[in-house]
Amino acid sequence: GENVEQHPSTLSVQEGDSAVIKCTYSDSASNYFPWYKQELGKGPQLIIDIRSNVGEKKDQRIAVTLNKTAKHFSLHITETQPEDSAVYFCAASILTGNQFYFGTGTSLTVIP
Amino acid sequence: GAVVSQHPSWVICKSGTSVKIECRSLDFQATTMFWYRQFPKQSLMLMATSNEGSKATYEQGVEKDKFLINHASLTLSTLTVTSAHPEDSSFYICSVEDPFSYEQYFGPGTRLTVT
Repeated sequence: GENVEQHPSTLSVQEGDSAVIKCTYSDSASNYFPWYKQELGKGPQLIIDIRSNVGEKKDQRIAVTLNKTAKHFSLHITETQPEDSAVYFCAASILTGNQFYFGTGTSLTVIP
Repeated sequence: GAVVSQHPSWVICKSGTSVKIECRSLDFQATTMFWYRQFPKQSLMLMATSNEGSKATYEQGVEKDKFLINHASLTLSTLTVTSAHPEDSSFYICSVEDPFSYEQYFGPGTRLTVT
């Protein structure tokens, strides 16, 4: 089955700086890679996703890049704000109704 | 994103009792819903896939007789923790699958504490 690894497990950045979280996956058949943000005591919220036919996707301060050859994808948050502090999970899936395989999560702290 | 509700948001029960958690898809009809369990500071662990009109598919190691799943309609799936024990205390989260895009949207979670 698929195996998703996520790094780092914790990340602290100064407000205004950029944050990068990286994930690798093992199954070359995976074609959908969402990123979720989870605040304390809440369910994960989809913040951005990318499909295998695209190398990069951007939504305001958030961007995701995908390298299919190397089987890794990354989340980039620019101009970080304190409200970006949360746990971020990456996931990989074969997007035909199959299960999502989640990374272990990254706890991001943005220091004001 | 799609709106998914869960009820209750938190529940405390005594050991040996059963607890039912509801998951509702408010924006679209969902043939497939998923139930996850999450321990503190850990990732989401898939427990089972809930399919409307058929039996749920459980992940290895998840007791189907203990965690009863019913997906009676296209907008509602329920998870019943039977004969709960303190080790069942956890954060239970459901997600619904968009039938067109296959994207998953999560509910707000239910915090279960068994005393």
